[in-house]
Amino acid sequence: AQKVTQAQTEISVVEKEDVTLDCVYETRDTTYYLFWYKQPPSGELVFLIRRNSFDEQNEISGRYSWNFQKSTSSFNFTITASQVVDSAVYFCALSESISGGYQKVTFGTGTKLQVIP
Amino acid sequence: EAQVTQNPRYLITVTGKKLTVTCSQNMNHEYMSWYRQDPGLGLRQIYYSMNVEVTDKGDVPEGYKVSRKEKRNFPLILESPSPNQTSLYFCASSFRGFSPLHFGNGTRLTVT
Repeated sequence: AQKVTQAQTEISVVEKEDVTLDCVYETRDTTYYLFWYKQPPSGELVFLIRRNSFDEQNEISGRYSWNFQKSTSSFNFTITASQVVDSAVYFCALSESISGGYQKVTFGTGTKLQVIP
Repeated sequence: EAQVTQNPRYLITVTGKKLTVTCSQNMNHEYMSWYRQDPGLGLRQIYYSMNVEVTDKGDVPEGYKVSRKEKRNFPLILESPSPNQTSLYFCASSFRGFSPLHFGNGTRLTVT
């Protein structure tokens, strides 16, 4: 069964510090997709990034970067020079194929990031 | 505007009184799903649908029903709500199961 673990329940950093959110996954599939979503205090869920299992290139988008390592089954998310607006709950998710050609999406329990001004 | 619309946003009900939470998307997405969010447990999938008339159980389907008679709509039905179904519910859709999910704004349900 697929599983996503976000061991960090809550993290507090001071503004401008760098912070890394960890995500470890388990799957028996060779083809799968990994995602990060953000849930700010207002409550909506916002897609940040998707990675497929064949693309281990790291991704950088402004202050955000993602490190995908199949060898350690990890898909970590780093925020550089954090800002108060980064305060949110961040979810890692895994989508893999199941029988019948369907896909199943499993979320981690989330990491609450608080950026202190 | 592309969106997933959930209604109502807030709902307070009593044990045993049947209720329906509606979900509609205007993006012609094939995949739709329901999640509940509880403190410390993250988002757990209740049911999902790969297309019209194709639905399957997620991780926590007990006490819930769904239907997918039209591509755009995916209502969540609680036939006999109980207090342990008090939660924040999200509907989501995507083009396919591997595509990024678009979420509704959530429905906060309280069952007393």
